[in-house]
Amino acid sequence: AQKVTQAQTEISVVEKEDVTLDCVYETRDTTYYLFWYKQPPSGELVFLIRRNSFDEQNEISGRYSWNFQKSTSSFNFTITASQVVDSAVYFCALSEAGTGANNLFFGTGTRLTVIP
Amino acid sequence: EADIYQTPRYLVIGTGKKITLECSQTMGHDKMYWYQQDPGMELHLIHYSYGVNSTEKGDLSSESTVSRIRTEHFPLTLESARPSHTSQYLCASSEYGAGGRNNEQFFGPGTRLTVL
Repeated sequence: AQKVTQAQTEISVVEKEDVTLDCVYETRDTTYYLFWYKQPPSGELVFLIRRNSFDEQNEISGRYSWNFQKSTSSFNFTITASQVVDSAVYFCALSEAGTGANNLFFGTGTRLTVIP
Repeated sequence: EADIYQTPRYLVIGTGKKITLECSQTMGHDKMYWYQQDPGMELHLIHYSYGVNSTEKGDLSSESTVSRIRTEHFPLTLESARPSHTSQYLCASSEYGAGGRNNEQFFGPGTRLTVL
């Protein structure tokens, strides 16, 4: 069975602080994909990143960075110098290659509030 | 920028009414999905489709039905709405990845349904 755990339900930081959102996953598949999505107050989900299980290279995109560690089954997301516009719910998700349907299994989300 | 649309964005309706939530995408994606999300909660897959004339049930049992007569269109229907159907419904699509790669899903803005 697959499972995604986002232990942090809510996080509040002051603007310009760095913040890390944790994601731990479980899967029996050797080939899988991990995703992060952002859901602002408007409700839509915005795709941020996809990682496959064979690529442990960390990625940086502007103020965003992701740390993928297979040894600890974690795929953490860091926002550097946070801004008010970063306030949203962030979801980590897992997709197993064997499903064929490309179904995503979402964590429960972390609500980030950036205080000006 | 993803081109996936949902209408209506908000719907308040009485118990027993039949409703159809519309979802369209202009990206030519074969795969489409419907998720249900209660406020502050994780997303649950209720329906998905591999392509035209394909419909499958997701992980969360739902009384809704879907159809896929055209690639770009994936409407969801509730024959008799009840207060327990009150939720946000999110539509998504993805392209089939080469070599079985699980591509990211692009989400519509969602429909917030309230059944009185």
